Amino acid sequence: EAGVAQSPRYKIIEKRQSVAFWCNPISGHATLYWYQQILGQGPKLLIQFQNNGVVDDSQLPKDRFSAERLKGVDSTLKIQPAKLEDSAVYLCASSLGPETGELFFGEGSRLTVL
Amino acid sequence: SQQGEEDPQALSIQEGENATMNCSYKTSINNLQWYRQNSGRGLVHLILIRSNEREKHSGRLRVTLDTSKKSSSLLITASRAADTASYFCATGLDSNYQLIWGAGTKLIIKP
Repeated sequence: EAGVAQSPRYKIIEKRQSVAFWCNPISGHATLYWYQQILGQGPKLLIQFQNNGVVDDSQLPKDRFSAERLKGVDSTLKIQPAKLEDSAVYLCASSLGPETGELFFGEGSRLTVL
Repeated sequence: SQQGEEDPQALSIQEGENATMNCSYKTSINNLQWYRQNSGRGLVHLILIRSNEREKHSGRLRVTLDTSKKSSSLLITASRAADTASYFCATGLDSNYQLIWGAGTKLIIKP
């Protein structure tokens, strides 16, 4: 069974530039999550989708971050414009459903903003 | 918000010794999960324990849950160099299954 795919693995940009991350969850997983993980910290939920609807985006900085999950499968997370404090690893995870518990994570996309 | 707090923040032990990490939380939970993260990689699910369970085993892992004290512990027996990683607890809230993460324990196994 293929795991959660993310790209790119690494990205370096200048502040005020834009960047997009892509995630393809495990086939059949209805729930998709985007997390931000700053070095030395635990994951922070940015947005949670159930199929193609948003369940929780309370911690998403909506003035600069946007995410979509068209057709309820893969998802894109965009940052525009980027700030220095956005330097982090962006982790995508999926699960069969929020009640099942176990999350499956991708390898993450490491963003460095200069 | 992060409700899970792991203790200690860092742990360094000799290969072959047992490693114990603790997690405390604040609100009522449906389940508690432990994940491992190797440096530069994604998180890997280790074990899930439900609020009505007290102990669970998986290979060299043993997890306990004390809902009266709102705490859990992860025991890794006979540690190996490959166990070097950060370990995170995540609590699934009773109300909406939202997962709340701790800051992790960094475990180093010395050969």
